[in-house]
Amino acid sequence: SQTIHQWPATLVQPVGSPLSLECTVEGTSNPNLYWYRQAAGRGLQLLFYSVGIGQISSEVPQNLSASRPQDRQFILSSKKLLLSDSGFYLCAWGAQGGKAEAFFGQGTRLTVV
Amino acid sequence: AQSVTQLGSHVSVSEGALVLLRCNYSSSVPPYLFWYVQYPNQGLQLLLKYTSAATLVKGINGFEAEFKKSETSFHLTKPSAHMSDAAEYFCAVSPPLSSYGKLTFGQGTILTVHP
Repeated sequence: SQTIHQWPATLVQPVGSPLSLECTVEGTSNPNLYWYRQAAGRGLQLLFYSVGIGQISSEVPQNLSASRPQDRQFILSSKKLLLSDSGFYLCAWGAQGGKAEAFFGQGTRLTVV
Repeated sequence: AQSVTQLGSHVSVSEGALVLLRCNYSSSVPPYLFWYVQYPNQGLQLLLKYTSAATLVKGINGFEAEFKKSETSFHLTKPSAHMSDAAEYFCAVSPPLSSYGKLTFGQGTILTVHP
C-alpha cells in the first residue's frame, strides 16, 4: 500500500531563517506531488505541484520554492522566512491516470516568530 | 475556472441527529468532487468521491453525498451523528482528466457534535 511521510510535524523558526520541509511517498511510482498550505479559517491553498522529477509548477507567487530531486521526494524551501509564512503545510500525492483524489501527509505546523 | 462554496463555516448537531454539510461547486465541465475530513493537527482523510459514476456516493464512517447537476451541489450527509464525527470537513473539486490531486478546496465546515 502507498504511504506518505512528511516531517517535521512542528517547527518554530525565527523570521529571516531558512526552511526545508521534506515529503516522501512509498509504494507508488511517478506520482504527482503537491504542497498545500492551510492558514487559519482560509481553507487549503495549492502552492506547488510536480508531475515528474525536476518539474515544478507554482500556483501562487510567494516567498517559497519547491524541488523534486527524486521521483518520490518533494521538498518545500525558503531562503528567508516571513511572519506570513506561518501555517499548516500539507504534502499530497495523486496517481497519474489514476483515481483523481489526493492523499495527504500528516502536515507540518510552521510558526515563524 | 472552478470553485467550491461550503455554506456554513460552523455546524452544530446533537449526537444521533442528522448531519448535513452543504457544498456547491462552479465548473465549466462536469467535475470530480470530493469530501475530506480533518481532525486537529492532522492531514486530510478522504471520505468519499464522485467521478461521474453513480450520483449517490457512499463513503467511510457512514457518510454519503449526492451529486445534483441541476443544483450544482454535492452535499454531505450522515443519518445519525456520533461524537467522533466532530472535525473539520472540506469539499473539493477537480476537472476530469486533469492532473490528479490538483484540487480546489472550499473554506471548510467545522462540525460540532453535542451529547
